[in-house]
Amino acid sequence: NAGVTQTPKFQVLKTGQSMTLQCAQDMNHNSMYWYRQDPGMGLRLIYYSASEGTTDKGEVPNGYNVSRLNKREFSLRLESAAPSQTSVYFCASSDPGLAGGPPEQFFGPGTRLTVL
Amino acid sequence: GNSVTQMEGPVTLSEEAFLTINCTYTATGYPSLFWYVQYPGEGLQLLLKATKADDKGSNKGFEATYRKETTSFHLEKGSVQVSDSAVYFCALSSNDYKLSFGAGTTVTVRA
Repeated sequence: NAGVTQTPKFQVLKTGQSMTLQCAQDMNHNSMYWYRQDPGMGLRLIYYSASEGTTDKGEVPNGYNVSRLNKREFSLRLESAAPSQTSVYFCASSDPGLAGGPPEQFFGPGTRLTVL
Repeated sequence: GNSVTQMEGPVTLSEEAFLTINCTYTATGYPSLFWYVQYPGEGLQLLLKATKADDKGSNKGFEATYRKETTSFHLEKGSVQVSDSAVYFCALSSNDYKLSFGAGTTVTVRA
């Protein structure tokens, strides 16, 4: 199993350009997430999808859109990139924990995005 | 709302030294607590977790105890190795599936 995969690994954009970050998981998980990681701020949730067909805003959704294409795939789109969106982006997936316990989130390797 | 505060780094240690990273939290209800680790160039991996007060999570020689009275979940390891060099994140989850992360602590272990 590949787990959670993300493409691309690196990307440089100019201000105003658009792009889509791709994420796929092969663990048959229901829930998927997009985070951004910035120095000194940990990971912040951008959007999440609790199940196929649903998406909800997280802590920092402005400037982003998402699509839960099917159970496996969850994409993140920047319509008009800004320098403030320079960050490392992580996708994650999870299922309900065993016996009602907390779910473990599995993370992809990340996409390092620079917006000039 | 939920929040996690962890000690700022970076932390630099020699091999076989004792490591402790402090983590305190604010949450409604009874959250589950986690430590995630991020090795250089990789995504985050779950290191250990605890779901209720006084639970102790442990893995790879690391331990953390869920202390409700002090709202803390400090990470400890008795003898670190160079391979433990990484960024460590404390996190919590309340009734939904979402995680709230601390800022992360960079640990460097020197031979």
